[in-house]
Amino acid sequence: DIQMIQFPPSLSASVGDRVSITCRASQPIRIYLNWYQQKPGKAPKLLIYAASSLQSGVPSRFSGSGSGTDFTLTISSLQPEDFASYFCHQSDSSPPTFGGGTKVGIK
Amino acid sequence: QVQLQESGPGLVKPSQTLSLTCTVSGGSINSGGYYWTWIRQHPGEGLEWIGYILYSGSTSYNPSLKSRVSISIDTSKKQFSLNLNSVTAADTAVYYCARGSSDPYDYWGQGILVTVSS
Repeated sequence: DIQMIQFPPSLSASVGDRVSITCRASQPIRIYLNWYQQKPGKAPKLLIYAASSLQSGVPSRFSGSGSGTDFTLTISSLQPEDFASYFCHQSDSSPPTFGGGTKVGIK
Repeated sequence: QVQLQESGPGLVKPSQTLSLTCTVSGGSINSGGYYWTWIRQHPGEGLEWIGYILYSGSTSYNPSLKSRVSISIDTSKKQFSLNLNSVTAADTAVYYCARGSSDPYDYWGQGILVTVSS
């Protein structure tokens, strides 16, 4: 199985900060990397698919980059509603696997 | 807006079968190209893919669970279901159903906590 290492596991930031989260795959996964936001008790929400494509309805402050083994989710200007957990997911090969998640908290 | 909702018992005894159902609303479960998927998250850990079913009934399972898991679909009720047998405490998790659209999962349920305990 492809291992997805996500870091940092948690971070503290302020409203307006630029935040970056990294996901590293144990082997190349081309661009088959997706990012999700998860809030307690809520359904996870797809933010970015195919490494850099913004899901419909997702604010443009979210962006994704990378290919091969290294990927980044960036929030250009953190908003109050962005305090949540984020996780990556590789869909290049079966079984699909997920990163351990990053919890974005208030500084 | 497509919505998915998990249902089933929140407590299962060891060695018994965990059975959950996902009800799809706001969209068709018959459409080709969608992977009706089960995913779980152990407390404090990352997510684990369990498997999927297509509307045709074709399935794919995680090799780590394949001997104990089955997923079925009832298109008339717009539901798909998960059965996981011979459960142990290690199967305690939040179980999510999701719709896979090509590669990403574009819609998820809220999740249901299932505890395995006597």
